[in-house]
Amino acid sequence: EAQVTQNPRYLITVTGKKLTVTCSQNMNHEYMSWYRQDPGLGLRQIYYSMNVEVTDKGDVPEGYKVSRKEKRNFPLILESPSPNQTSLYFCASRPQVSGTGSYEQYFGPGTRLTVT
Amino acid sequence: GNSVTQMEGPVTLSEEAFLTINCTYTATGYPSLFWYVQYPGEGLQLLLKATKADDKGSNKGFEATYRKETTSFHLEKGSVQVSDSAVYFCALRGSQGNLIFGKGTKLSVKP
Repeated sequence: EAQVTQNPRYLITVTGKKLTVTCSQNMNHEYMSWYRQDPGLGLRQIYYSMNVEVTDKGDVPEGYKVSRKEKRNFPLILESPSPNQTSLYFCASRPQVSGTGSYEQYFGPGTRLTVT
Repeated sequence: GNSVTQMEGPVTLSEEAFLTINCTYTATGYPSLFWYVQYPGEGLQLLLKATKADDKGSNKGFEATYRKETTSFHLEKGSVQVSDSAVYFCALRGSQGNLIFGKGTKLSVKP
């Protein structure tokens, strides 16, 4: 089954304790992305990756890191989490489409993070 | 810059009522437009899309038409069901191939 998986699904942690949220896709997609979803703000992009070893900042990158060492994996790293990073996080992927491609993205089930 | 504005919710309807969720956009050119749906406890799923002006996207009884004159992509359904209760997001393709989302509209359908 084609899918994007995230782990963990739920995480409660304390300020300053480094954590990693994993994301994996089995569709051989080049493009992967992380979003956070907050009430009244919708989804905002944190980081994205066009391919292996190619990453770039989205709209809200502060406090986050990513890496793309393999095509299928795109972990999100919070080196020193703070309470304002409490949110619902989604990973997404899509094939690399050029020109007028529709750029449909496939989303994981989400990770609910609480930082106390 | 590019942006999406959609009507605020929540929207509460009775089963079989007509649904409209308004969405307007600001963008350079004519980007692809999307409606995504998020059912409770799940990730986002693509509901429908339109890649050029005057295109109509449709799926599961939902429709939206890409109107460049009014820069709009309103979502409609003639007869909603309880199972349509979800959060609906309008989005456009950004210049980097990313998605730019509206804030979402929560729909609750009562039996």
